[in-house]
Amino acid sequence: AQSVSQHNHHVILSEAASLELGCNYSYGGTVNLFWYVQYPGQHLQLLLKYFSGDPLVKGIKGFEAEFIKSKFSFNLRKPSVQWSDTAEYFCAVTGGGYNKLIFGAGTRLAVHP
Amino acid sequence: GAVVSQHPSWVICKSGTSVKIECRSLDFQATTMFWYRQFPKQSLMLMATSNEGSKATYEQGVEKDKFLINHASLTLSTLTVTSAHPEDSSFYICSARDGTGPRGNEQFFGPGTRLTVL
Repeated sequence: AQSVSQHNHHVILSEAASLELGCNYSYGGTVNLFWYVQYPGQHLQLLLKYFSGDPLVKGIKGFEAEFIKSKFSFNLRKPSVQWSDTAEYFCAVTGGGYNKLIFGAGTRLAVHP
Repeated sequence: GAVVSQHPSWVICKSGTSVKIECRSLDFQATTMFWYRQFPKQSLMLMATSNEGSKATYEQGVEKDKFLINHASLTLSTLTVTSAHPEDSSFYICSARDGTGPRGNEQFFGPGTRLTVL
C-alpha cells in the first residue's frame, strides 16, 4: 500500500532562514507527487507538483521540491522563509493514473519575525 | 479557475440528527470528487471517492450507511452524516478532479466544513 512519511512534525525558524521539509513515499510504480499548504483558517492550496520531466520542480511563493527517485523522496525547500510562510505543509502522492491522494501527517511550520 | 466551494462552512447539530454538506465545483466539471476528514492537528484521511452517476467507493473502516455520498451531477457532491454523534465532530473537506486536460490529475480542494455534534 502507498504511504507518505513526513519526518518533521513541527519546525520553528526565524525569518530569512532556509527551509527543507522531508517527504518520503512508498510506492513501486509511477507516482505523481504534491506539496500542499494550509494557512491558518484557510483551505488547502497546491504549492507545487511533480508528474514527470525535470525532477526539480518550482512552485509558488519561492518554494521548490526535488524528486529523487532512488531515495523515494520529494523534499520541499525554500532558501529564505518569511513570517507569512507560517502554515501547515502536507506532502501527498498518487500513483500514476490512480485517483487517490495519500497524505503525509503534515509539518507545522512557525516562522518568527 | 478551478474553484471548489463547500456549504455550510460550519455546522453545529444535536446528537442523533443528520447533517448534509455540499461540495460544488464552480467553474469546471468534476468527474470525480473526494471526501476527506481531518482531525485536529492531523492529516487528511480519505473517506470516499465518488464518480458522477455511480456509487461512491469507501475507504476501509468508513461506514457507508453513516456517511452517505451522492454525486448527482458533474458539479455537485453531497455528504450526509446520518445520526451524528460527538465522535463525528471533525473537519470535512472535499476535493474535485477535472479528469481531463493538463490538470486532469490534480485535485482542487474546498475550504472545508467544520462539524460539531453536541
